[in-house]
Amino acid sequence: ETGVTQSPTHLIKTRGQQVTLRCSSQSGHNTVSWYQQALGQGPQFIFQYYREEENGRGNFPPRFSGLQFPNYSSELNVNALELDDSALYLCASSLGSRGVVERGYTFGSGTRLTVV
Amino acid sequence: AQSVTQLGSHVSVSEGALVLLRCNYSSSVPPYLFWYVQYPNQGLQLLLKYTTGATLVKGINGFEAEFKKSETSFHLTKPSAHMSDAAEYFCAVRRYSGGGADGLTFGKGTHLIIQP
Repeated sequence: ETGVTQSPTHLIKTRGQQVTLRCSSQSGHNTVSWYQQALGQGPQFIFQYYREEENGRGNFPPRFSGLQFPNYSSELNVNALELDDSALYLCASSLGSRGVVERGYTFGSGTRLTVV
Repeated sequence: AQSVTQLGSHVSVSEGALVLLRCNYSSSVPPYLFWYVQYPNQGLQLLLKYTTGATLVKGINGFEAEFKKSETSFHLTKPSAHMSDAAEYFCAVRRYSGGGADGLTFGKGTHLIIQP
């Protein structure tokens, strides 16, 4: 089975710009969640999508938004980029109505975003 | 709300020695607990998880953890450290929002150093 793939692997953007990060879920998974991992920190939950609807959100402003597509792939969009948005963005997929954690979450390798 | 505290941002052990990484949690509902490992420039790999049932959980690469409700702990151990165990380790608890379970709350991580 294929794992979770994220693109691009690295990205450099200018403050104020917008960015879109992409994630392909593991085969058979229908739930996707996104995390921001600042340097030297643990991942912070941004939001989760189940069957194309957001069903959970962490403490992130509305300029962080997402989409999930019928094939369960997902996008993370960040508008009006700030320097503090520089981080590793991780996507994780799982199976179930709100993520059947009995099977855990499968993480991708992440997208390293640098805002200058 | 759920939270995780990992004691010790850095732990150093000799090759062949016991590895002990500490994790304490706070949860208003029965917790689902996880340990993930992250190698440099990579995503997160699931080591083991506790959901219900047996409190001693065995994972990959010889790691195990014991859920102790009375101590609100989920410490990770390995009897004999190997050089390849050097990595960042994260403890996580399943989040619960108003609508149910979504995503994970991570600790800040523990960097494991293996001395030859």
